[in-house]
Parts: sequence; structure tokens; C-alpha cells
Amino acid sequence: EIVLTQSPATLSLSPGERATLSCRASQSISSYLAWYQQKPGQAPRLLIYDASNRATGIPARFSGSGSGTDFTLAISSLEPEDFAVYFCQHRANWPPLTFGGGTKVEIK
Amino acid sequence: EVQLMESGGGLVKPGGSLRLSCAASGFTFSSYNMNWIRQAPGKGLEWVSSISSDTTYIYYADSMKGRFTISRDNAKNSLYLQMNSLRAEDTAVYYCVRDSYTSLAVFDYWGQGTLVTVSS
Repeated sequence: EIVLTQSPATLSLSPGERATLSCRASQSISSYLAWYQQKPGQAPRLLIYDASNRATGIPARFSGSGSGTDFTLAISSLEPEDFAVYFCQHRANWPPLTFGGGTKVEIK
Repeated sequence: EVQLMESGGGLVKPGGSLRLSCAASGFTFSSYNMNWIRQAPGKGLEWVSSISSDTTYIYYADSMKGRFTISRDNAKNSLYLQMNSLRAEDTAVYYCVRDSYTSLAVFDYWGQGTLVTVSS
């Protein structure tokens, strides 16, 4: 099973600041990584797939990078609606599919 | 507009059974692989099961194998999850989730979820 480790667990930032979230895989997953955003009481929403491709309707301030075992989700300038929990998920050598434990981006 | 509407959640005793349903609309259901993903209260996301568009493949997480059964009815645009021998640790919101058409196991649409509570 591929384990995804997200860091930090919590990121405290102010609106307008840049956010950088990390996801590390326990073995190489090529570029088969997705990122999801989840707000309280809502279902997750797909942001990025295959490491760097923005999903339909996702603003350009969200970007993904990385390959192999180390991946990054960046939010260039935080908007009030971006404060949420972010999960990474792989789709390499499955089943099983697994998710990271999440990073909460909170208002400082 | 793509819509996924789960139903069937509720309170069940340990060892009991429950059948979840997901009604899909706004897309050609029979062309998409589908999934169930769950989230325990205050916890992260856990993949439960996947089924291909034509049921050629069906996969389960190890902890659900032998207890859960995923199925679909393409004529009724519906996805199902039969859950037996339920345990307290199965308590979670269960999401019905669509695969992206172009990328296997990329989850592009999620339902709002149905809460399953396993407690005596």
C-alpha cells in the first residue's frame, strides 16, 4: 500500500499570502497524484490531477507540481474562500487507492 | 449539471446491514466508472470500493472485502453499496463519487454524502 504523508498538518496564513502544501509518497507514483479541497460540511472538490493539471473551473492561483515521491500544491495568493482542508490522493498501482491525512489551511 | 444523490444511511447496530444508493443524473452514467469513498467524523478520506462502467472490474479496500458489495444498475442510473457485518469503525459519511472520463481513479464529482452510524 502506498502511504501519502502530508505536511504541515496545519498552515496558518493571512489572506493574500502564498500557501505551499506538501505531499510525500512512500514509493514512486510517477505523476499520478491529485489534490482535493474540502470545506466544512461539504464534499471534497477536485483541484489538481496528475500532479499539475487544474480541474475544470479551478482558478489559476492553484498550481501543482512534483513527480516521483514529492509533490506540492501552491496557492499563489490566498482568498478568503481558500481556507479549507486539502487532501492528496494517488492512483498508481492500485488497489488500494489512498489519501493523505490532510492539511488544514487556517486564517492567521 | 452532474448530480449524485446518496440515500440509505442511518443508525444501525453492530453486526447489522445497510444498503446505500446513489442516484446519478446530468451525465451518461453507463459510461463512467464509479466509487464509494467514506470519511469518519473529523477524520480523513478513505477509499471504499470502485466499479467500472460495465462492471468488468470491482475493487474493495481490504477492510471491506467480504462485508461490502458494490453494484450498479445502468438502466436506472444508480450505484449501490450493500454493507453487512457492520462495525463501529464503519461509522462515516459515505460519498458516491464519479471517476473522470479521461483519467481512471481521478474523482471529479462527489455527492453530498450519507451518514452511516454503527452503534448499539
